Amino acid sequence: QKEVEQNSGPLSVPEGAIASLNCTYSDRGSQSFFWYRQYSGKSPELIMFIYSNGDKEDGRFTAQLNKASQYVSLLIRDSQPSDSATYLCAVNSYGQNFVFGPGTRLSVLP
Amino acid sequence: GAGVSQTPSNKVTEKGKYVELRCDPISGHTALYWYRQSLGQGPEFLIYFQGTGAADDSGLPNDRFFAVRPEGSVSTLKIQRTERGDSAVYLCASSLNPGEETQYFGPGTRLLVL
Repeated sequence: QKEVEQNSGPLSVPEGAIASLNCTYSDRGSQSFFWYRQYSGKSPELIMFIYSNGDKEDGRFTAQLNKASQYVSLLIRDSQPSDSATYLCAVNSYGQNFVFGPGTRLSVLP
Repeated sequence: GAGVSQTPSNKVTEKGKYVELRCDPISGHTALYWYRQSLGQGPEFLIYFQGTGAADDSGLPNDRFFAVRPEGSVSTLKIQRTERGDSAVYLCASSLNPGEETQYFGPGTRLLVL
C-alpha cells in the first residue's frame, strides 16, 4: 500500500523565519510530487510541484526532492502569519491516483 | 475561466438515506478525482475518471459508494444507505490530463449523516 507520511505538527516558527516541512513516501516508482496548502475550512490549493531530484524555487517557496531517500521537503522563507495553514504533501505516478499525506499544521507567530 | 464547482456545499441527511454529490470540473479537463477528507486528515482517494470511464475506483470503501461521469464532464458521487461514518468533506478535483498534471480542487461538499 502506497503511503505518504508527514509530521502532523503543529510546527511553530516566528515571523520572518524559515519553515521546513518534510514528507516521506513509500512507493519508489512515484514520479510527481506536490505541495498543497489548505486553510481551515477551505479546499487544498497547489503551491508547487517537483518531478526531478534537486531543488525548485518559486518565490519564497523551495521544494526539495531526493528520490533515493524517498524524501521531499518544502521550505518557506520569510514566513508570514498568512502562511499559517496545513501543508499537504501528495505523490503520484502517471495515470495513477494521487496519495496524500495527513498534512503538517504550520503556525507562524507574529 | 470558472474553477471546479461542487453542489451542494452542505448536505445533512439521516442514516440510511441516499445522497448524490455533484462535481462540475474545469472545462476541457479530462481527468476527474473524488476524495474524502475527515477532520485532521489528508484527502483520501476514492475514484478517478479519465473521460467517461473510471480509471481507478480502488479507493471506494464499499459497494454503497458509486460514481458516474456519463458525458465525460459532470460527475456524480452516489452514496446508498448512508452511515454516520460517511460524514466528511467530499472533494472533487480535475486536471487537464491524468497523473502528471496538477489538479484543481473544488470547494467540497460537507456531508453530515445524523
